[in-house]
Amino acid sequence: AQTVTQSQPEMSVQEAETVTLSCTYDTSENNYYLFWYKQPPSRQMILVIRQEAYKQQNATENRFSVNFQKAAKSFSLKISDSQLGDTAMYFCAFRPQEYGNKLVFGAGTILRVKS
Amino acid sequence: DTEVTQTPKHLVMGMTNKKSLKCEQHMGHRAMYWYKQKAKKPPELMFVYSYEKLSINESVPSRFSPECPNSSLLNLHLHALQPEDSALYLCASSLLGLTGRRHNEQFFGPGTRLTVL
Repeated sequence: AQTVTQSQPEMSVQEAETVTLSCTYDTSENNYYLFWYKQPPSRQMILVIRQEAYKQQNATENRFSVNFQKAAKSFSLKISDSQLGDTAMYFCAFRPQEYGNKLVFGAGTILRVKS
Repeated sequence: DTEVTQTPKHLVMGMTNKKSLKCEQHMGHRAMYWYKQKAKKPPELMFVYSYEKLSINESVPSRFSPECPNSSLLNLHLHALQPEDSALYLCASSLLGLTGRRHNEQFFGPGTRLTVL
């Protein structure tokens, strides 16, 4: 069974600073996808970034980037130039490549950006 | 249209009531999902529909009854709920395809905040 672990229940960062959220996972699959979802206090869950396991290059979306270490089964999210609007719960999620399989979520990390 | 919409936004019901939650998407997605989410917890999968057929039921109590009348609509019928069923109910949708290198990320709706008295 796949598991996803987010070891940081809560984190804080000053506006304009950089913060890294950690995520590790356990799987015997070789092909899979990893996602970071953001859920602000308004509750709409949105996709921040995704990574295909077969790609060695780390995914980047504007201020958001990941450090994907397949051998170590690690998938951390770096947020640069943090903004107040980044305050949210962040979930790391895993999905095997085959369609129809469900997302496995981590427990989440609450990130607070302070002015 | 890249949205998943859910109605109502809020719902308060008694334990003897019957109500329904509605979810709609027009992205051509053929997989739709119901999740239950408690405060500060990750979503818990309840049901998955693939091509309008129930493909996953995560041992959800029968007081929750899903329905997928067409490829754009997903309903969750509620009857005789318990106070512990109070939660945010999220709907999501995703593409379905052949096995292969498809992203298939799930798009979530804003949720229905359900309170059972």
